[in-house]
Amino acid sequence: QLVLTQSPSASASPGASVKLTCTLSSGHSSYAIAWHQQQPEKGPRYLMKLNSDGSHSKGDGIPDRFSGSSSGAERYLTISSLQSEDEADYYCQTWGTGTVVFGGGTKLTVL
Amino acid sequence: QVQLQESGPGLVKPSETLSLTCTVSGGSISRYYWSWIRQPPGKGLEWIGYVSYSGRTNYNPSLKSRVTISLDTSKNQFSLKLSSVTAADTAIYYCARDTPSGIDYWGQGTLVTVSS
Repeated sequence: QLVLTQSPSASASPGASVKLTCTLSSGHSSYAIAWHQQQPEKGPRYLMKLNSDGSHSKGDGIPDRFSGSSSGAERYLTISSLQSEDEADYYCQTWGTGTVVFGGGTKLTVL
Repeated sequence: QVQLQESGPGLVKPSETLSLTCTVSGGSISRYYWSWIRQPPGKGLEWIGYVSYSGRTNYNPSLKSRVTISLDTSKNQFSLKLSSVTAADTAIYYCARDTPSGIDYWGQGTLVTVSS
């Protein structure tokens, strides 16, 4: 079964970097994912597609501070030079034959 | 720039059918796949299903018996119907474009409350 697992929460200080993790279920380590950001009281926004080899393509207007990388079944979103506006929920999403799956989301707090 | 806008009643009675429409602008609906996703208050995202540019559908197995998604290419719209709703269906409903790069455009969302 295709499942994405995310840690519920993360925190970091303004100006620092943070790396969020999304883990693909067993047997699905070659799958690409997408990362989405949902700021408080707003709808989600597409950040990027991230492939298994770590290559990624970002959505329109996404700052260079956002980058992605991969290792095995793990997919990472790194946000550098954290700003207060980066405080949000971050969801990973993938797709298989006839299905779309979301991770449970990580709530990022910028302290 | 592709834009999506959900429309429909914000209040639905229990046991009735929830109906929403998504209007797409800035791009043709005759390409890619078009999804509905929902988010109960304070919770995460749940994929409901999608319709392809050719009208083929796939649904979340947990909702499949109650969901219908359809396409209207003449209006550049797609629609969601969810039957026999209960309070558990109260959520913000989003429409979105689904491409080989993942879901890349989202509507702003519309809150649907199920209550008598």
